Amino acid sequence: EIVLTQSPGTLSLSPGERATLSCRASQSVSSSYLAWYQQKLGQAPRLLIYDTSSRATGIPDRFSGSGSGTDFTLTISRLEPEDFAVYYCQQYGSSPPTFGQGTKVEIK
Amino acid sequence: QVQLVQSRAEVKKPGASVKVSCETSGYSFTNYYMHWVRQAPGQGLEWMGMINPRGGGTSYPHNLQGRVTMTRDTSTRTVYMELSSLRSEDTAVYYCVRGNYYDYWGQGTLVTVSS
Repeated sequence: EIVLTQSPGTLSLSPGERATLSCRASQSVSSSYLAWYQQKLGQAPRLLIYDTSSRATGIPDRFSGSGSGTDFTLTISRLEPEDFAVYYCQQYGSSPPTFGQGTKVEIK
Repeated sequence: QVQLVQSRAEVKKPGASVKVSCETSGYSFTNYYMHWVRQAPGQGLEWMGMINPRGGGTSYPHNLQGRVTMTRDTSTRTVYMELSSLRSEDTAVYYCVRGNYYDYWGQGTLVTVSS
């Protein structure tokens, strides 16, 4: 199975700053089938990005995804107060689908 | 609008089984695979398997083979996930999710396994 490793584990930033989250796969992700989710405490995760770079419905354009092969990035251009949360990447190009361990974006 | 509504929280003893339901609405039920994902307290997300609502075909991860069973009822647009031989490590929130990238999530069902 494909192992996804997210870095950093925790990102401490201030509102208005840029956040760059990394997701590295143990082998190439088929057809760039990689997604990003945001999870706030006590809530179900929410889809942000699918197919590496497509924003889900209703997701603001400060969220963007990029990458290919084994290296993928989620960028939040300017952090809003509601963006402080845990972020997970997921690959769905190979079975079984797998998730990264998560990156927590916290207020500095 | 698309909705996935799950059954209520459960408390089970070790060795028992639990069956969680997920009633869907707002889209064509047979057009999307349904997956189940769980999250242990303070932990990350774990894929538990998927079902094709059209034909009922399933796929499960190796670590849950033999313990997990997913079924569906097309008349009520509901999918089910049953987990047997429960152990304390199965304590988690269980989510049903739609599609291969998970654009809609159920609200989650907390399953607590405790003696």
